[in-house]
Amino acid sequence: QLQLQESGSGLVKPSQTLSLTCVVSGGSISSGGYSGSWIRQPPGKGLEWIGYIYHSGNTYYNPSLKSRVTISVDRSKNQFSLNLRSVTAADTAVYYCANRSGFDAFDVWGQGTMVTVSS
Amino acid sequence: QSVLTQPPSVSAASGQKVTISCSGSSSNIGNNYVCWYQQFPGTAPKLLIYDNNKRPSGIPDRFSGSKSGTSATLVITGLQTGDEADYYCGTWDSSLSGVVFGGGTKLTVL
Repeated sequence: QLQLQESGSGLVKPSQTLSLTCVVSGGSISSGGYSGSWIRQPPGKGLEWIGYIYHSGNTYYNPSLKSRVTISVDRSKNQFSLNLRSVTAADTAVYYCANRSGFDAFDVWGQGTMVTVSS
Repeated sequence: QSVLTQPPSVSAASGQKVTISCSGSSSNIGNNYVCWYQQFPGTAPKLLIYDNNKRPSGIPDRFSGSKSGTSATLVITGLQTGDEADYYCGTWDSSLSGVVFGGGTKLTVL
């Protein structure tokens, strides 16, 4: 079955760019109906949707983060990525990648990766 | 401040029933499908309910969802200690053009 695994730097300095990758196994990103998503959760807080990318390459972003976010896909490696620019301490969170299915249901999640923004 | 409003906590005795509410507006719950997620400490959320009231394969029928107007409800019957977790509702918001979540509800089984 579909499995997702996040990877990337766990510590990012303020004003720099947070970069994470989600490797997909058990399925193909290029198949129709697949959407790679990023969701984050600050320590002790709730979930915040960051955005997603359709298999077509179209992207949708959280309006509050849109100016700083880019989600891209590498079909040759069966993975998708998140870049979040100009980070601050408020971006410290566990970052999850997930598959968006149907009407915005996130049915498969990665285990999550903690990213701390600190100098 | 979350777009969707959930009670911070609910509790009920083992074996009993509990309901968790999720309140929104016409731009989100009122005109879009609602999902529910279960999250244990230190783990990723798990999809419990999608399209308002459908269960993914493997989710027990003790978990059910419903929607009425601009509110949604998650009902858990036959509560077990293993159900102690945080529960989140989520949906698309047409005004914000994005996915929104509730603030989460912590379930305690007494």
